[in-house]
Amino acid sequence: EPEVTQTPSHQVTQMGQEVILRCVPISNHLYFYWYRQILGQKVEFLVSFYNNEISEKSEIFDDQFSVERPDGSNFTLKIRSTKLEDSAMYFCASSVQRQETQYFGPGTRLLVL
Amino acid sequence: AQSVTQLGSHVSVSEGALVLLRCNYSSSVPPYLFWYVQYPNQGLQLLLKYTSAATLVKGINGFEAEFKKSETSFHLTKPSAHMSDAAEYFCAVSESGTASKLTFGTGTRLQVTL
Repeated sequence: EPEVTQTPSHQVTQMGQEVILRCVPISNHLYFYWYRQILGQKVEFLVSFYNNEISEKSEIFDDQFSVERPDGSNFTLKIRSTKLEDSAMYFCASSVQRQETQYFGPGTRLLVL
Repeated sequence: AQSVTQLGSHVSVSEGALVLLRCNYSSSVPPYLFWYVQYPNQGLQLLLKYTSAATLVKGINGFEAEFKKSETSFHLTKPSAHMSDAAEYFCAVSESGTASKLTFGTGTRLQVTL
């Protein structure tokens, strides 16, 4: 069964460093999403992406964040200058259409020191 | 704006007992509602979803949920708990016809005891 994959599974970085989290959505899906879950808190929406542009973003998704689909398979989330409070589990998800089921990847656990 | 409230951050049941996890939603338009499960160190897996068809929705692993508009609820039930059901359960809402982002509740950790 097709699934969303994410790399790396864990990443440790120093405050102020740039990180890129990578996702490979399910191949025939057109909508892509990033969510994050700070330890002990709820899953929060960051951004949705369709047709090579952001379709919606939350207030969390400020200028430090960017997303890109650099090729036909990868979908990335970049954090330009990480802060301690960016430490969280980041989930990628994809769906066939806008209102269809979102399938989640296993997540990348980011720790900013 | 949409929101979800999950009553009870922790629920403990005995194996074989009824599981009831509560979810109430708020949405300005007809909602789509979802239950996801998260096993330790894993991602989110869809259990079931409501998208304005039948109000009683059956999902995987014997779970079901009933959409009650009058109560703005979408509680998750399973007649008989199994040890393998121990996990974190998240209720989520999206607004039909507009944005597709999911708004999640705070989650309920289900513990199943012998």
